[in-house]
Formats: sequence, C-alpha cells, structure tokens
Amino acid sequence: AQKITQTQPGMFVQEKEAVTLDCTYDTSDQSYGLFWYKQPSSGEMIFLIYQGSYDEQNATEGRYSLNFQKARKSANLVISASQLGDSAMYFCAMRGVSGYSTLTFGKGTMLLVSP
Amino acid sequence: DAGVTQSPTHLIKTRGQHVTLRCSPISGHKSVSWYQQVLGQGPQFIFQYYEKEERGRGNFPDRFSARQFPNYSSELNVNALLLGDSALYLCASSLELQTYNEQFFGPGTRLTVL
Repeated sequence: AQKITQTQPGMFVQEKEAVTLDCTYDTSDQSYGLFWYKQPSSGEMIFLIYQGSYDEQNATEGRYSLNFQKARKSANLVISASQLGDSAMYFCAMRGVSGYSTLTFGKGTMLLVSP
Repeated sequence: DAGVTQSPTHLIKTRGQHVTLRCSPISGHKSVSWYQQVLGQGPQFIFQYYEKEERGRGNFPDRFSARQFPNYSSELNVNALLLGDSALYLCASSLELQTYNEQFFGPGTRLTVL
C-alpha cells in the first residue's frame, strides 16, 4: 500500500519569499512517481511538477522545484518568489507501478500568501 | 486543444436518488480515472478505465459504477445516494494506461446530497 503524509495543515508566507511544503511517502514499489498539484478554490487540480523515483536530478518547473530525498522518502515542494496567486491548497501525490497511472494523495497543505 | 471537461459543474440530489456524472478526456487520451474528494481531504481513487475496460477500482461500494465509451469519454454512476456521497468528483485523463508522468484533471462536479 502507498501512503502520502503532509504534516502542515496550513502555511503562511509573505509575497516574494520562498516557501517549502513538506511531503513524505511510503511505498514498497521500487519504481514510482511523485507529483504536486495546486487546487485553488475553484476546485480544479492543476499539475505543477513530477519526479520519477529513478531521476537523479531534482525536478524544476519555473518557480517550482521538488526537493527529492529518496533515502528519507521525502518530496518537498519549494516555491520561490511567492505570488498572491499562489494562495491555494497544495497536494502531494504518488503513483506506483502496481497502480498504473492512478494516484494516491495526501491531505493537502493550505498556503496563504500575504502582501 | 480543450482540457478535460466535466458535466454538470454542480448537482443537488436527495438521499436514495441516482446520479450520473460525465467526463470527456483530453483529445487523444485513452485512459480516464475518477476520484472523490470530500471536504478537507485529498482526492481518493474510485475507478480507472482504459479502452472501455475497467483497469482499477478503489475501495468504494458497489453503488458506484462507471463505463467508458468508444470515444474515450466516461460516465460515473452512483446509486442510492447517501449524505456521505457529497463531494467534489474529479475526472483525470492520461495518454495511456501506464503514463507515468502526466495525469490531467478536469474542473470537477460538485455533488451535494440532501
């Protein structure tokens, strides 16, 4: 079974500062993928970034980077230069080989960016 | 190209009724998955369909069923609605059954059961 743990129910950050959202995972699969999604109040899940378990380098997508520490089973999302529009729920998710392309999600972290 | 579309956007039903939710995947995507997201939680996997066949099922009762059509669109059906079925229902599409790094979500259908 796969499990995603997000221990921060809410995070506050000031505009233009960097913020790290924590995610730890548990799986018995050797090959797996880790995702971060953003969910604004409208409800749509917006894909942010992906990290494969065999990828040697940390994934980056614009202002988003994924701090992947395989031995610690952590996949933290780093948002640099926060913007007001970053205020939303953020979900960490993982896909395992046994689950094809289906995802297991954490409970999410609410990020509020203040001016 | 259009993204994943879902209909209706909002729905209000009463206990015991039946509901059908619809999803159209991104053009060219053959796999559709359904997720339920109750308030304050992350989405939970319900079904995955690929080439009209069920390829995965989450821990949901038999009141939940789905199907996929030849054009890859999909329907999620829920019978004998309970108050606890109130949730945001999300549809996601991916290119193939084992697409490892892409799964795109639609805007969801918000179901309220009274």
